Amino acid sequence: SQTIHQWPATLVQPVGSPLSLECTVEGTSNPNLYWYRQAAGRGLQLLFYSVGIGQISSEVPQNLSASRPQDRQFILSSKKLLLSDSGFYLCAANRQADTQYFGPGTRLTVL
Amino acid sequence: KNEVEQSPQNLTAQEGEFITINCSYSVGISALHWLQQHPGGGIVSLFMLSSGKKKHGRLIATINIQEKHSSLHITASHPRDSAVYICAVTTPGAQKLVFGQGTRLTINP
Repeated sequence: SQTIHQWPATLVQPVGSPLSLECTVEGTSNPNLYWYRQAAGRGLQLLFYSVGIGQISSEVPQNLSASRPQDRQFILSSKKLLLSDSGFYLCAANRQADTQYFGPGTRLTVL
Repeated sequence: KNEVEQSPQNLTAQEGEFITINCSYSVGISALHWLQQHPGGGIVSLFMLSSGKKKHGRLIATINIQEKHSSLHITASHPRDSAVYICAVTTPGAQKLVFGQGTRLTINP
């Protein structure tokens, strides 16, 4: 089965600072990769997904971006964080239409 | 109206009770997923199903494609079952999940 690694687990950043969250996948090759965000008390929101290296689809226009420099690496970035970027960020992966496996998540607080 | 609706939004029960969480969807799907989110935030995939019924331990998931409805049942509930249960669907040709709003389940000892 797949294992999803995410780091850091928690992060506190000031408004206007940059962001880089990393996700790596073990146990599979050529996975579909996903970034989700969950704001406090809200449901999951898909931010980006990727079906291959360099292929990124954005679901929600915002000041975040994603990159996939390697097959099993997915990075979420921002040049300048906003207060509204606070939330719980989850990376997920699957093969084709198979079930999605989720990482442990990163809890981001923007002050 | 959301494409995936869950009920109830909150559910509190006593240990040992039989639990049912419902999910209705309004789009054509290729699969339906039940996820469990623990209080710390981690998410575990419980079931993926496209027809019939699946069972894993005390958990049972059913789906009725004609009625566009799925249920998650927990038998002999336990406090450790306390979590948010999320229904999600994948639509044909798409890879991404469409989520319900979740059901917060609390099992009291």
